[in-house]
Parts: sequence; C-alpha cells; structure tokens
Amino acid sequence: GNSVTQMEGPVTLSEEAFLTINCTYTATGYPSLFWYVQYPGEGLQLLLKATKADDKGSNKGFEATYRKETTSFHLEKGSVQVSDSAVYFCALSIYSGNTPLVFGKGTRLSVIA
Amino acid sequence: DAGVIQSPRHEVTEMGQEVTLRCKPISGHDYLFWYRQTMMRGLELLIYFNNNVPIDDSGMPEDRFSAKMPNASFSTLKIQPSEPRDSAVYFCASSSLSTPLHFGNGTRLTVT
Repeated sequence: GNSVTQMEGPVTLSEEAFLTINCTYTATGYPSLFWYVQYPGEGLQLLLKATKADDKGSNKGFEATYRKETTSFHLEKGSVQVSDSAVYFCALSIYSGNTPLVFGKGTRLSVIA
Repeated sequence: DAGVIQSPRHEVTEMGQEVTLRCKPISGHDYLFWYRQTMMRGLELLIYFNNNVPIDDSGMPEDRFSAKMPNASFSTLKIQPSEPRDSAVYFCASSSLSTPLHFGNGTRLTVT
C-alpha cells in the first residue's frame, strides 16, 4: 500500500542550526509529495510540495527534493529560528491533483534560543 | 476567505452520548476530508467527499461513526454512542484539484 515514514521526534535544535527531517515513502505509481507544518492549536498548513522526480519544493527557507531513486523527500533548512518550532508532516498523494493525502506520523521540532 | 471553519473547538462529553462535529469548507472547494489525529496513530483519513458525495469511507473506524455532506458548504461527523477511545482532535479539510489541502483548526474531543 501507500505509506510515509518519517524520522521519530522530538528534534531539539539551537537557533541557527541546520535542520534535516528524513522522509521516505512507498507508493504505487508516481505520487506527489508534500510537507505540512502544524503550529500549536492549529490545523496543518502546506509548507512545500513536489510533483515529479527531481523537483525541489521550497518555501520560507525550507527545501525538499523529490528523489525517486531513494524514494525520499527529506526536509532541510539551513538556519532554523525559534518560530520554526512546530510539528512537521510528510505526505503523499497518488492521484492527480493534490488529494487525498497519506500522512506520516509527524516530527516535532523544538528550536531553543 | 475565512478558511475552513470547524465547530466546536472543544467538546467534552460523557461516554454513550452523541457527538456532532461540524465543518464549513472553503467556498469553491469540491473535496472535503475528515481526519482524526491522536498521539498513537497520527493523522488518519476517516472519509472524504467529492461534490458532496462520499468517495471513500474505509477509514471510518466502525458503525458508530457517520458523516454527511448535505450541501457544498456544510458537513457533519457524528459519533453515536461515543466512547473514551474516540478522544482525539478531529480535522476537516477541503481542496480542489488545483489547490492544496486547507485544514480547519480542529475540534478537540474528550470523552469521559
């Protein structure tokens, strides 16, 4: 079946540190891949996406590259801020367009000043 | 745009009671989803609709759960009777083929 596996959290970093959150997937066909972010007390928000192999999604300093050969979509940011503290979800969609999504279990990131 | 609106934000009820969660999707979105979030199981898709028609309800845990979408601007998720293991945050989300998934802020359900 279709599934997403992301690294267990929580991840605690100091401000300005480099961030990597690993995500790998299993899917039939050619999925679209997404990262969503959830701030406390809120719903998930789309952070970035990539729809085909070798595409790079980027937003707010975050990046992720769709790697078909390793079935991965790792999230990176060069210098994290306290405001980046949140839960990050990797997700895939196997249909055209954006829906429906299969989510990973989420990785909690805490950034300390 | 007000975004996806869910009500109530918090619901506390006793075991055996009926619970109704409500959702107003973003205008123009023709897909609507109900997700449940727990620490143990993460985010689970319960059911989704396209043009008000249920497409896949295989994630609905059991017959105590039901969802309806009587029109394009309103959906409900009902649990009857509720049980303590139903305690979770329930999210509604909407989208179209050309827009990403937009989530509401969720309803935190506690069943005692």
